[in-house]
Amino acid sequence: GIQVEQSPPDLILQEGANSTLRCNFSDSVNNLQWFHQNPWGQLINLFYIPSGTKQNGRLSATTVATERYSLLYISSSQTTDSGVYFCALDTGRRALTFGSGTRLQVQP
Amino acid sequence: GAVVSQHPSWVICKSGTSVKIECRSLDFQATTMFWYRQFPKQSLMLMATSNEGSKATYEQGVEKDKFLINHASLTLSTLTVTSAHPEDSSFYICSARRGNMGTFGSGTRLTVV
Repeated sequence: GIQVEQSPPDLILQEGANSTLRCNFSDSVNNLQWFHQNPWGQLINLFYIPSGTKQNGRLSATTVATERYSLLYISSSQTTDSGVYFCALDTGRRALTFGSGTRLQVQP
Repeated sequence: GAVVSQHPSWVICKSGTSVKIECRSLDFQATTMFWYRQFPKQSLMLMATSNEGSKATYEQGVEKDKFLINHASLTLSTLTVTSAHPEDSSFYICSARRGNMGTFGSGTRLTVV
């Protein structure tokens, strides 16, 4: 099956800092989504981005499908950004395959 | 739009009992739903694909007789953990797709004592 690798596994930031999270994948994809899992376990969909670039407030994402990677940018981080960030991909099975996640902690 | 509701949010049960988890698509019809399991500090792993009106498809290593899935309508799938044991304690999350995008329920934290 498809391999999904996320880096870094853990990240600690001071409030106001910027960060880049990376997702590498091993096969072509029909769907790529970025999620934020909050401390209560809820998965919040951030971006549906199989290719190209999107921005939503302080967050933006870029997927270069031909090179099989996606990046999530967080600018001016806030303590509420803390949690785990997952990229998840669909290669045609319709179910999503999740990466191992990046655990982000934003300190005040 | 594209809201998936999951109940209960958390449940504690005794070893040997069964627990049912419900997953509903509130504002769209879902012929297919997906069940994932997440252990502490780990990623989400697909357990099974629930198909409306037919048998579920289970991932390798998932016991179909232990994790019973019923998808009797276009808006409801249920996961029943039968004869639960402490090792079944985990976070269970359902998902449905609307178009190309997956939407997730809020999850059920199961603790078996």
